[in-house]
Amino acid sequence: GESVGLHLPTLSVQEGDNSIINCAYSNSASDYFIWYKQESGKGPQFIIDIRSNMDKRQGQRVTVLLNKTVKHLSLQIAATQPGDSAVYFCAENTGNQFYFGTGTSLTVIP
Amino acid sequence: DAGVTQSPTHLIKTRGQHVTLRCSPISGHKSVSWYQQVLGQGPQFIFQYYEKEERGRGNFPDRFSARQFPNYSSELNVNALLLGDSALYLCASAWGSGANVLTFGAGSRLTVL
Repeated sequence: GESVGLHLPTLSVQEGDNSIINCAYSNSASDYFIWYKQESGKGPQFIIDIRSNMDKRQGQRVTVLLNKTVKHLSLQIAATQPGDSAVYFCAENTGNQFYFGTGTSLTVIP
Repeated sequence: DAGVTQSPTHLIKTRGQHVTLRCSPISGHKSVSWYQQVLGQGPQFIFQYYEKEERGRGNFPDRFSARQFPNYSSELNVNALLLGDSALYLCASAWGSGANVLTFGAGSRLTVL
């Protein structure tokens, strides 16, 4: 089966600092990756995606980096805000299925 | 525009009972996927339907079944409920099958006693 994992289950950062959340994936055939944010009591919310033919993609305050050589994905959040506190999941797509990691809980300290 | 809507939001069942969860996708989306999220874990893929046909199935027992209707809404059915079926059941819709952004609903929280 697939294996998508996160290096750190919890992360605490000071408000205004940058956050980096990491993710390892195991299937080299995965061609599409998404980062989701999930707040308590809500469904996962799309943050940013990247396809396997890219190694970097930027959005508003977020950047996703993809290193296919070591099968590693990271999410960088610039100037982290209290509203960024949530659980973050990476998901990899193979065929018609998305495989999600366990998640990293991000806490922003005011 | 309404997002993905799921019902019911919360429900409590006892072991052995049956449950039906419902999902309405975003207008124009033809793909619906179901995920199970146990507390403290990431969502686990159960089913994907596209144009009313099953396109993928995760590693779940036959007690789990689903279908998609002509209006692209979907139902997830679980028979002979077990305590371990207690979870948040998430529905996600997408424009197409395969590598497309999934938009999730808020989920149906199932508790099995």
